[in-house]
Amino acid sequence: QTVVTQEPSISVSPGGTVTLTCGLSSGSVSTSNYPSWYQQTPGQAPRTLIYNTNTRSSGVPDRFSGSILGNKAALTITGAQGDDESDYYCVLYVGSGLWVFGGGTKLTVL
Amino acid sequence: QLQLQESGPGLVKPSETLSLTCTVSDGSISSTSYYWGWIRQPPGKGLEWIGNIYYSGSTYYNPSLKSRVTISIDTSKNQFSLKVRSVTAPDTAVYYCARLAVAGGDFDYWGQGTLVTVSS
Repeated sequence: QTVVTQEPSISVSPGGTVTLTCGLSSGSVSTSNYPSWYQQTPGQAPRTLIYNTNTRSSGVPDRFSGSILGNKAALTITGAQGDDESDYYCVLYVGSGLWVFGGGTKLTVL
Repeated sequence: QLQLQESGPGLVKPSETLSLTCTVSDGSISSTSYYWGWIRQPPGKGLEWIGNIYYSGSTYYNPSLKSRVTISIDTSKNQFSLKVRSVTAPDTAVYYCARLAVAGGDFDYWGQGTLVTVSS
């Protein structure tokens, strides 16, 4: 069973930069895993921030960026704001038409 | 603007079958550019991919749920559906339907989600 790992929680100061990561139990994450990132606030459906590793979804501020860092996918928020305080999920394509979500990262801005 | 709307019972008894339908508006479910998927989220927990279906009827399921899940599509009604058999309390969750782009792998449109509780 493939597991996708994320930090359970991270804190960042307002205006600061933070990187969330997304790893794969079976090895390294690559662009072939089509990593995407979603932001979810309580009671709402997730919304896409980044897809296909580093493509920003329409309307997403450019302070959000995606990349591969080492053997993981990464979401970097530059100049964090209070309304960035949310849950963030990555999802990876693991082959044969299958997708796996990470456990999510709760981001606190304080 | 594409819209997805889940519908179905909010309460299902243990051992019975959970059935949900997703109605797609302002867009064609027969597009070759997208899959249509189901994702669930137990209360206070993370997202879990359940499975996807293509307009042709090809299906892909989470291995951990595959034995109990069926996803089907009705292109004439612009709907796709989810059945989960033999449900137990851990199947209690908000169930979302979503569109997945073939190119780039973006779950770009989501329904609002519907809470299904498994309880007698």
